[in-house]
Amino acid sequence: DTGVSQNPRHKITKRGQNVTFRCDPISEHNRLYWYRQTLGQGPEFLTYFQNEAQLEKSRLLSDRFSAERPKGSFSTLEIQRTEQGDSAMYLCASSLDANTEAFFGQGTRLTVV
Amino acid sequence: AQRVTQPEKLLSVFKGAPVELKCNYSYSGSPELFWYVQYSRQRLQLLLRHISRESIKGFTADLNKGETSFHLKKPFAQEEDSAMYYCALKGGATNKLIFGTGTLLAVQP
Repeated sequence: DTGVSQNPRHKITKRGQNVTFRCDPISEHNRLYWYRQTLGQGPEFLTYFQNEAQLEKSRLLSDRFSAERPKGSFSTLEIQRTEQGDSAMYLCASSLDANTEAFFGQGTRLTVV
Repeated sequence: AQRVTQPEKLLSVFKGAPVELKCNYSYSGSPELFWYVQYSRQRLQLLLRHISRESIKGFTADLNKGETSFHLKKPFAQEEDSAMYYCALKGGATNKLIFGTGTLLAVQP
């Protein structure tokens, strides 16, 4: 286990298509976070899981976005009917608990054309 | 509203010069502040957190509640310090991080 793993690393899609990203957290980490980062900005919180339960969603997460963590291990983030404004780096992070360091993956860069 | 402000997009210094990366925050309550660093082609990683009160790679940061600041300092910059630095605030019970827009530190030889 070399850290948080995200796939794919890059995704180019046409406007209107659906895309799905995967995040594999560090083993034993109960908390999993999704962030989005656009050019010139810091990462912005999207949603958070405690084991398999999704406990908070940002206003940034429109109805076209859905995230799951079915068995409390890996997570998927799906974007339906992609728009050009969805182009960004999508980051996943995990932590053991509320008080320990969050480790980030290398991200999935989405480009909507 | 919870907010983190990093006023400088770019800070360029010469090797051996002192460095100060500014960070101001807005938060109602007792904040927990962090500095994250992203080196070229690497993932975002934690540099230091204020509760640890430790020095990492020669960097220190002191939480000043009166000025609501958490500036990152290093007395003598090294070329390998060149990276993107993000100040972050832990907000709420979910442990989510609220990031600033980042400062690119460029250390010239």
